[in-house]
Amino acid sequence: AQSVAQPEDQVNVAEGNPLTVKCTYSVSGNPYLFWYVQYPNRGLQFLLKYITGDNLVKGSYGFEAEFNKSQTSFHLKKPSALVSDSALYFCAAGGDKLTFGTGTRLAVRP
Amino acid sequence: DSGVTQTPKHLITATGQRVTLRCSPRSGDLSVYWYQQSLDQGLQFLIQYYNGEERAKGNILERFSAQQFPDLHSELNLSSLELGDSALYFCASSETWGSRSPLHFGNGTRLTVT
Repeated sequence: AQSVAQPEDQVNVAEGNPLTVKCTYSVSGNPYLFWYVQYPNRGLQFLLKYITGDNLVKGSYGFEAEFNKSQTSFHLKKPSALVSDSALYFCAAGGDKLTFGTGTRLAVRP
Repeated sequence: DSGVTQTPKHLITATGQRVTLRCSPRSGDLSVYWYQQSLDQGLQFLIQYYNGEERAKGNILERFSAQQFPDLHSELNLSSLELGDSALYFCASSETWGSRSPLHFGNGTRLTVT
């Protein structure tokens, strides 16, 4: 069965420091991988996707994600966190269907 | 702005009642998805339509039903409402039926059942 795991419920980081939000997946065949962000009282907003090609994917707002096939991971990264990055982040994997992780709350302190 | 419009934004109703949530997809998108988001169960996929036809079904209760109309807007009908149905209901749209295209989400309808 297809699954997506986000092992951390919350990630805390200081403004200006690098951030990583972890995601691992289990999908048969080649996966389509996505990151979404959700701000309070808003819908999920698409950040970036990996379909094929370069393992490092760049997305909106300075975010990037690294696809690692051997570790079946797709971690979200940003070199320098902003307080405004504080939100709920969802990883999703598509194969025969789209599966979302349970979300990771990112808190960036000033 | 994602281009996906959901109405109403808020809905308060009593147990046993029936409500209809409405979604207009982003221009050009043929697929519509419905999701339920609650505090304790995260984001749950309910159902997907593509160009008017049901494409995939998730954890949708028998008390819930949906449809996509010829103009591609969609409605989610929730009946015999229970307290546990209180949640945020999101509609999302995408260009195609498969999982290759990113989803574009509306801002949701917050349903409160009292």
